[in-house]
Amino acid sequence: GAGVSQSPRYKVAKRGQDVALRCDPISGHVSLFWYQQALGQGPEFLTYFQNEAQLDKSGLPSDRFFAERPEGSVSTLKIQRTQQEDSAVYLCASSRDTTDTQYFGPGTRLTVL
Amino acid sequence: AQKVTQAQTEISVVEKEDVTLDCVYETRDTTYYLFWYKQPPSGELVFLIRRNSFDEQNEISGRYSWNFQKSTSSFNFTITASQVVDSAVYFCALSVYGANSKLTFGKGITLSVRP
Repeated sequence: GAGVSQSPRYKVAKRGQDVALRCDPISGHVSLFWYQQALGQGPEFLTYFQNEAQLDKSGLPSDRFFAERPEGSVSTLKIQRTQQEDSAVYLCASSRDTTDTQYFGPGTRLTVL
Repeated sequence: AQKVTQAQTEISVVEKEDVTLDCVYETRDTTYYLFWYKQPPSGELVFLIRRNSFDEQNEISGRYSWNFQKSTSSFNFTITASQVVDSAVYFCALSVYGANSKLTFGKGITLSVRP
């Protein structure tokens, strides 16, 4: 497909487990963003990559959250020692360049028990 | 800092009614972009429109129209002759040129269109 894809679509974790969420951006898109969407709220920015460089991670809520994009395409958002407050939908978006429109994937719904 | 306010939380209309979704934004920057996204029950955010701060022309796309007014910092969205398929959560968002273009979203408006 030509859109942004994310996997898994659903993830259930026990408190304290580590999880890894994957994002495949639209081919050729330089910029990649991660957002967190709590139930009933709008998405909130987590972090931003331009190619493989992580240029802004100001939205990551704690040092348990880590993101990477080693080859400038696929990105992984990792959450260590998950907590119940981490339960949310994690959305990935990509754009051709920094100023272009962001296109979103379907999200990963994370539930921490 | 940027802020987007969507004061309406839930709107319910009967099919074929017109409905307007309000959006008010705050920013000190002079160059910025405004967006509307639709989030159907499937969860994926679908891009609807993008406007830059220098273009205040209203836009119409089929049953959708947008009214951008810098004087009131508003970017309202009207659906004409609503249909059941329009039922979704609608988000207004703002990004600032020169920053990393991260989007600041409002809390969203849940629109229900009844047959």
